[in-house]
Amino acid sequence: GENVEQHPSTLSVQEGDSAVIKCTYSDSASNYFPWYKQELGKRPQLIIDIRSNVGEKKDQRIAVTLNKTAKHFSLHITETQPEDSAVYFCAASYPPGRNKLVFGAGTILRVKS
Amino acid sequence: EAQVTQNPRYLITVTGKKLTVTCSQNMNHEYMSWYRQDPGLGLRQIYYSMNVEVTDKGDVPEGYKVSRKEKRNFPLILESPSPNQTSLYFCASRGVQETQYFGPGTRLLVL
Repeated sequence: GENVEQHPSTLSVQEGDSAVIKCTYSDSASNYFPWYKQELGKRPQLIIDIRSNVGEKKDQRIAVTLNKTAKHFSLHITETQPEDSAVYFCAASYPPGRNKLVFGAGTILRVKS
Repeated sequence: EAQVTQNPRYLITVTGKKLTVTCSQNMNHEYMSWYRQDPGLGLRQIYYSMNVEVTDKGDVPEGYKVSRKEKRNFPLILESPSPNQTSLYFCASRGVQETQYFGPGTRLLVL
């Protein structure tokens, strides 16, 4: 069935270190993979996304990689800062063309200063 | 300013008392969805709509209804709320091949 698994559920890093969050999806036909950041008490907001015709995308300190063969995609945050502390959600589109984003359960990222 | 709005933002009600949460978007998006967010379970889709008068069930539709009479509005209706519907609700909209935007959320408590 439609499923996105996200790991880890919590992640603590020291300020300046890198953080990596991984997701696995089940449908090889999925073609759109967004990442959302949700700060406490606020709505999820898109921080980066990738489509299946691209293997990697970078935006300043944030990057996403996609391995279509393994059905994995990952979020990489470099030089973490305290304001990066939030809940991060990955999602995958099911099936292509339909308005369904299936979300992972989320990762609580804590950046310690 | 492009936005998705929801009302009310906070609601306390009692079991069985019908309620409606409104959602509106000003981006002329075709796709709209409702999600509920519960600790440890992420965002689960309740209902979605691909256009006016076209709606379909998501993953957790039981106890909810929706309608899409106009493109900009997508209300969520709880005919007879129960305590297990206590949750944080988000409306979202998305154009074809575009980013999905979320509303500010509605925190619902059913006593």
